[in-house]
Amino acid sequence: GEDVEQSLFLSVREGDSSVINCTYTDSSSTYLYWYKQEPGAGLQLLTYIFSNMDMKQDQRLTVLLNKKDKHLSLRIADTQTGDSAIYFCAEKDSGFQKLVFGTGTRLLVSP
Amino acid sequence: GAVVSQHPSWVICKSGTSVKIECRSLDFQATTMFWYRQFPKQSLMLMATSNEGSKATYEQGVEKDKFLINHASLTLSTLTVTSAHPEDSSFYICSVQQETQYFGPGTRLLVL
Repeated sequence: GEDVEQSLFLSVREGDSSVINCTYTDSSSTYLYWYKQEPGAGLQLLTYIFSNMDMKQDQRLTVLLNKKDKHLSLRIADTQTGDSAIYFCAEKDSGFQKLVFGTGTRLLVSP
Repeated sequence: GAVVSQHPSWVICKSGTSVKIECRSLDFQATTMFWYRQFPKQSLMLMATSNEGSKATYEQGVEKDKFLINHASLTLSTLTVTSAHPEDSSFYICSVQQETQYFGPGTRLLVL
């Protein structure tokens, strides 16, 4: 079945850039997503990328997709303490509405 | 995107009782909703796909008689945890299918 992996933890200083990485196994993925989860809350959709794109930029967020290596990354520019949260990548198979979530990366931003 | 609410936001119950959690799509008529479970410091586990007007589709390993799902209208799906036990304690999150999934704020269940 599909498998989505992320590194567990990332620590950065305020103002630095953060890069969160994700690898997936399903080559038929059509859309890949990044969600943010703050403590005790649900998931907030940050951005998504269609599988025929290499890059997407949305304000401070840049998504890079290497479809050959099945590697997805999320870069947060000028990281703020409010960006501290857990970030999940997710992929959607072309035939289904279901999302397969990664293990989540806990981002800690220190002042 | 769709605005989704859940009620209650947290609940504590005694072992053996049943608990109902509501998921509402406030601004979108959703034919499909999803129910997830999340353990501390873990990812989301899909429990079932809730389809308006028909039976839910459960993921492998999820007991349909234990976790009853009803999607009686286009704006409401309910998850009832029957005869709850301490191992059912978890964070339950629903989502609404629009162009992508939009999530509710979650319900934390603690079974004593």
